[in-house]
Order: sequence, then structure tokens, then C-alpha cells
Amino acid sequence: SQQGEEDPQALSIQEGENATMNCSYKTSINNLQWYRQNSGRGLVHLILIRSNEREKHSGRLRVTLDTSKKSSSLLITASRAADTASYFCATGSGGYQKVTFGTGTKLQVIP
Amino acid sequence: DAGITQSPRHKVTETGTPVTLRCHQTENHRYMYWYRQDPGHGLRLIHYSYGVKDTDKGEVSDGYSVSRSKTEDFLLTLESATSSQTSVYFCAISDSGSNTEAFFGQGTRLTVV
Repeated sequence: SQQGEEDPQALSIQEGENATMNCSYKTSINNLQWYRQNSGRGLVHLILIRSNEREKHSGRLRVTLDTSKKSSSLLITASRAADTASYFCATGSGGYQKVTFGTGTKLQVIP
Repeated sequence: DAGITQSPRHKVTETGTPVTLRCHQTENHRYMYWYRQDPGHGLRLIHYSYGVKDTDKGEVSDGYSVSRSKTEDFLLTLESATSSQTSVYFCAISDSGSNTEAFFGQGTRLTVV
């Protein structure tokens, strides 16, 4: 089974609204990453948060990590139509060599 | 853009035939990964490599084998293709495993008929 599961599976919002997606994982991690995938393309790295960090910002992105609940959230503020994509969390295991991904959240931002 | 290329980009093959997908990098990254992406399953790890000749299994390794004889190339072989292996395959590279970002190739769309 996969390490991470994102929720919701799909999200549709209006441009300018905030989008929040969540990731839950199963085992202890060293860090957690978020990636974005535009339709049919390879994934692109967004942000990495380490297990000793609780919150991290990058531009319009805000990531939180709660290791006690084994969960993370990605907040995109003031969304744009160009943010339409699928978003995945990824965790490291197996001595931090193995990188496994969740099932993804498909975000649609309506202009 | 990170130097990572996958070949072929598209392939149609018949059930029971062997298929090899190639991932080539010019970044000299230690770690290389093969994933498959299917609707409803996200990305699932097939195999990964942490150095030349050093490989390990992922979540869905049955029916697949890999080889890494040099740093820049990571080959994924479907020993006897089945229709359930119809998927989009992505290769990724990383300098330090999960401690650093991974860079992805453009993907290979494989159809087994």
C-alpha cells in the first residue's frame, strides 16, 4: 500500500480563493515533500519540510507538518488558473533512499 | 531543467513480449527511481537505485526488473508484458534520496495490447 494519501481527491475553487489539501502518511519520516504535476507531465518539486519543522512558506505556498498525527497540509493562497494541476506529497523511507508518493489531489481553479 | 530523458516516449507492444525503458541522466545524481502512474493510484514506486549495481524493490516490483551498469543509465525491463502493465512510467533522479528534491523525466506511455 502507498505511504501517503492525499485528501480531498479533487478540489474545485474560484480564482482568488485559497486551496488546502492534506496528506496523511503511515511510518516515521525524515522529511516530507510536495510536488505538482501539470496534465500528463513529469512532477515538479514545490517544497520540502523536515520532521523538526512545523511550518514552511514559499511564495504563495504554506506547508504544515504534524508528525504526531502523521499528516501534512499544503495551502495555496490567492489561487490562479495556472495553479490547476495535481498535487502530491512524497515521503522518504528505507534509510531515506526510497521516495514514495501519495495518491494526489486534483485541483481545478476556475477563472 | 535537470538533464533527464526517458526513451521511448510512447510504445505499443504485444502481450508476452519483453520491453525495456531507458532513463538517462546527465546530473551525476546517485539515486534513480522508476514509478508507474495509473488513475486513482497516483505514483507507485517500482524499483530504485542508490548507486551503480545497487538496486532495490519498490511497492509494485512484480513483473519488472532493473539494471544500472553506469551512473547515468537506469533501465526498466518488463520481462513479459501484460495488459495490467499498460501505464505511464516516470523516471526520477535525486542527489540525496528523500533528503533533496527529485527531478522527473517526461514520462513514457506504454500500451500493452
